[in-house]
Amino acid sequence: GQSLEQPSEVTAVEGAIVQINCTYQTSGFYGLSWYQQHDGGAPTFLSYNALDGLEETGRFSSFLSRSDSYGYLLLQELQMKDSASYFCAVSSASKIIFGSGTRLSIRP
Amino acid sequence: GAVVSQHPSRVICKSGTSVKIECRSLDFQATTMFWYRQFPKKSLMLMATSNEGSKATYEQGVEKDKFLINHASLTLSTLTVTSAHPEDSSFYICSARFGHGGREETQYFGPGTRLLVL
Repeated sequence: GQSLEQPSEVTAVEGAIVQINCTYQTSGFYGLSWYQQHDGGAPTFLSYNALDGLEETGRFSSFLSRSDSYGYLLLQELQMKDSASYFCAVSSASKIIFGSGTRLSIRP
Repeated sequence: GAVVSQHPSRVICKSGTSVKIECRSLDFQATTMFWYRQFPKKSLMLMATSNEGSKATYEQGVEKDKFLINHASLTLSTLTVTSAHPEDSSFYICSARFGHGGREETQYFGPGTRLLVL
């Protein structure tokens, strides 16, 4: 089977940096994705890591360690609009399974 | 990025009626579409995987006779919630993938359909 673990809630200050961790167990692993979801909206794709290392896209970066079955999403220069839920998801050949999500709250 | 649409975006129905939700990939041919359900403040739960021209593969615990999935073409999949009850009220989201699950591919999500059963 597949399972993912990520913190349920994280709070940070505007302008700061926050890291959201994700550990997973799966067979037939292809890659780890991150999605952002604002209240009432659908998930939007942020990043995808198939190989070990750090992928940077603007203020967001994502890291993967396949040997540790671990990844994280790093958000820099936090803005109030970044307040949302963030989901990690593991991909296999047949499907993508989502973690339970991390609710990110940002204080001014 | 690729665009996936869903219709309707919101539906309210009486208990016992059936509701059909359409998912369309607008600018690519989706060999595989996925249907998810999300309850408030919860994660997305995969309900079923739909491949064009073949029967859907349902996840454990999802009733295939309750949630009918038809993937009639490479750009359209439909989910029909039959004899809906209040506990079926949820946010239903589809996603589409082109290709055959290559390692660099991702899924593109529709905007979701919010179902409220009275």
